[in-house]
Amino acid sequence: QSVLTQPPSVSGAPGQRVTISCTGSSSNIGAGYDVHWYQQFPGTAPKLLIYGNSNRPSGVPDRFSGSKSGTSASLAITGLQAEDEADYYCQSYDSSLSGWVFGGGTKLTVL
Amino acid sequence: QVQLQESGPGLVKPSQTLSLTCTVSGGSISGGSYYWSWIRQPAGKGLEWIGRFYTSGTTNYNPSLKSRVTISVHTSKNQFSLNLSSVTAADTAVYYCARAGHQGLDWYFDLWGRGTLVTVSS
Repeated sequence: QSVLTQPPSVSGAPGQRVTISCTGSSSNIGAGYDVHWYQQFPGTAPKLLIYGNSNRPSGVPDRFSGSKSGTSASLAITGLQAEDEADYYCQSYDSSLSGWVFGGGTKLTVL
Repeated sequence: QVQLQESGPGLVKPSQTLSLTCTVSGGSISGGSYYWSWIRQPAGKGLEWIGRFYTSGTTNYNPSLKSRVTISVHTSKNQFSLNLSSVTAADTAVYYCARAGHQGLDWYFDLWGRGTLVTVSS
């Protein structure tokens, strides 16, 4: 059971917009800790996609955006492309565990 | 640019100790303000943070693994290592080393190794 909760899967057609939620609690996201997002393709290491809730590292398309409110955060992908099909993970810090925590991951399928 | 590379045995027997090394190239492990971490991922499952050390020498571990984990730094070799004792089949996973940078007080993994599969089996 992951400390941060994500939907196991989401899907969308090319060109559409999809969102992936990440729900935490008062000891992590709700405590004000930032949320970060990673993209992982099969057989490869995760790659930083969004940091500090809504910031994109250099090279990440602006089709990817992040937001945070209360005890939850969201990753939005607009103009969905086939190459976006991957697993997505959220990550934050948990004060009760005194460590970093991940969501269980969400598999994005482009229809 | 800075790169990370995991190395170590791909097969470990139950009850034994899993030992992995992460070699940092293209930059100093003791330079800058970074946490250096180990993260694992069982096949078909999510990511689990194992532990970290800071360039000042401070180490922290996931409470669920703390009794079995040790992370050590080898500054002269620009390496850090993971020891996980008393392993079982549940410890079978791809193990990643990663660097965490920060924005303010929040840290995120901005650099990852390729990962190495460790199987626990007799």
